[in-house]
Amino acid sequence: GAVVSQHPSRVICKSGTSVKIECRSLDFQATTMFWYRQFPKQSLMLMATSNEGSKATYEQGVEKDKFLINHASLTLSTLTVTSAHPEDSSFYICSATAGVNQPQHFGDGTRLSIL
Amino acid sequence: AQSVAQPEDQVNVAEGNPLTVKCTYSVSGNPYLFWYVQYPNRGLQFLLKYITGDNLVKGSYGFEAEFNKSQTSFHLKKPSALVSDSALYFCAVRALKGYSTLTFGKGTMLLVSP
Repeated sequence: GAVVSQHPSRVICKSGTSVKIECRSLDFQATTMFWYRQFPKQSLMLMATSNEGSKATYEQGVEKDKFLINHASLTLSTLTVTSAHPEDSSFYICSATAGVNQPQHFGDGTRLSIL
Repeated sequence: AQSVAQPEDQVNVAEGNPLTVKCTYSVSGNPYLFWYVQYPNRGLQFLLKYITGDNLVKGSYGFEAEFNKSQTSFHLKKPSALVSDSALYFCAVRALKGYSTLTFGKGTMLLVSP
């Protein structure tokens, strides 16, 4: 149980393209979903927290107009990297939790490469 | 502010030997502690958690962790390491009361040699 599906697993695209990443909780309802960014050989950096039906809460230094998050249902959150540039290249990971005292379950991540 | 320290960038152990991956934390109030494992180009997999109760927590794949309140530690252990345990391990903490986001340590690479 507690499976989180993240798609796509890898994206390679040109600078200026917008990229959408989907995160789905397959067998539970996720009250909260999280989006992280991970740089090589580093820990996860929380970008934003999203609750179904409300605006995402972004961490300091994360541009909300650059990284658009939509949490339309209890099983789906999307991250759109708008007008992506090479410096946006990274490994993006989502996670979901069924409640405040429940573990976060992670997707397999999306490797984004902007040429 | 809450924080997690994983003092070792890498831990090397021979297959069959016991392993320990260290973690200390700082949080306001009682902690909610986790260990996750990450394989290359994959997300994090949940191993185990501690909320309350027995200080020794058993998790997936034979791993266990010992909560020590006085030392604010939550070290990950396994009695007999496997080559397939080689991966990146993250310790994470959040305050048990109220709602705060998880804070992750920087990760420890575990290398198990045959």
